[in-house]
Amino acid sequence: QVQLQESGPGLVKASETLSLTCTVSGGSISSSNYYWGWIRQPPGKGLEWIGSIYYSGDTYYNPSLKSRVTMSVERSKKQFSLKLNSMTAADTAVYYCARRYSNYESSWFGPWGQGTLVTVSS
Amino acid sequence: SSELTQDPDVSVALGHTVRITCQGDSLRGYYASWYQQKPGQAPILVIYDQNNRPSGIPDRFSGSSSGNTASLTITGAQAEDDADYYCSSRDTSGNHVLFGGGTKLTVL
Repeated sequence: QVQLQESGPGLVKASETLSLTCTVSGGSISSSNYYWGWIRQPPGKGLEWIGSIYYSGDTYYNPSLKSRVTMSVERSKKQFSLKLNSMTAADTAVYYCARRYSNYESSWFGPWGQGTLVTVSS
Repeated sequence: SSELTQDPDVSVALGHTVRITCQGDSLRGYYASWYQQKPGQAPILVIYDQNNRPSGIPDRFSGSSSGNTASLTITGAQAEDDADYYCSSRDTSGNHVLFGGGTKLTVL
């Protein structure tokens, strides 16, 4: 079955850019109706959708983060990536990658990666 | 773009039935999905397209919807169901994703 694994630095300095990669295994990254997404969760708080990308490169970003987010996909490596610039302490969170199904009224995430904690230091 | 509202805390006695609700304008047009998250773990999908269970999810979990409210029902709650639960759907534009604030379910 499909599995996802996040990779990237666990510590980022304030004002710098976070770069994370998610590697997909056990399935295709180019399946119809399946997008690839990033979700984050600050310590002790709820889930926040960051954005989603289709294998074609089409992207959808959370309006509240849109000015700072860039997502990309590399099909040959079965990877997709997140860049979030101008990091602040408020961006400290566990970052998850997940597969997203999307079609008409339907939208759901599964499976999810295990998550990676990113801490922003001053 | 709207939002999804959940009760922060819900409790249920072991073996009893509990309903967790999620309210939002987007639920009038888009299906809800539900996620269970235990401490230190990634969320897992327990209900999708309003009332469908992924393989491996016990049939005590069910979903329903009416108007602007989606519900997750656990019939015969077990100790292992003690967890945080999040709902999600598209927003009213259809282009973005919303998560509810989460409900902490305590099984007594």
